[in-house]
Amino acid sequence: EAQVTQNPRYLITVTGKKLTVTCSQNMNHEYMSWYRQDPGLGLRQIYYSMNVEVTDKGDVPEGYKVSRKEKRNFPLILESPSPNQTSLYFCASSSMISGVEQYFGPGTRLTVT
Amino acid sequence: GQSLEQPSEVTAVEGAIVQINCTYQTSGFNGLFWYQQHAGEAPTFLSYNVLDGLEEKGRFSSFLSRSKGYSYLLLKELQMKDSASYLCAVRDSGNTPLVFGKGTRLSVIA
Repeated sequence: EAQVTQNPRYLITVTGKKLTVTCSQNMNHEYMSWYRQDPGLGLRQIYYSMNVEVTDKGDVPEGYKVSRKEKRNFPLILESPSPNQTSLYFCASSSMISGVEQYFGPGTRLTVT
Repeated sequence: GQSLEQPSEVTAVEGAIVQINCTYQTSGFNGLFWYQQHAGEAPTFLSYNVLDGLEEKGRFSSFLSRSKGYSYLLLKELQMKDSASYLCAVRDSGNTPLVFGKGTRLSVIA
């Protein structure tokens, strides 16, 4: 089954404790991205990657890091989480062909206290 | 840059037809997408328009006017399960990332 998986699905952590949210897709997609979704602000892109070893900042990259060492994986790293990073996070992937839909992971709800 | 505007909320009656509008401003244009998102869940793809006109998919249709920077999503024969947020998103050019609007929350009432 074609899918994007994220782990963990739920996470409560404390300020300053490094964490990683994993994202993996099994569709051989070149393009992967991370979004955060907050009430009243919609989906905002954090980082995206056009292919292995190619990453770029989205609209809200501050406080986040990513890596793309393998085509299927695109982890999101929070080196020192802060309460304003409490949010619902989505990973997405798509083929690089224009017009093809993005597939979203199930989401990770992160709470930073 | 890009900007998209959608109404924040719409209410409609079960069995009726509802139209959700989206206006956008982009420097280039390479497609407009509609997604459905139930509360706490991932967005799921509904439709894609790159040329002017109406695209129909069962109970859902999407319209695009590139000259007006305008799209709408039309939902027919509304069902309670259609209660969700509907997000429009636009691609500026080439394979640049999608930019999403803030979404329209549709409430279907009996």
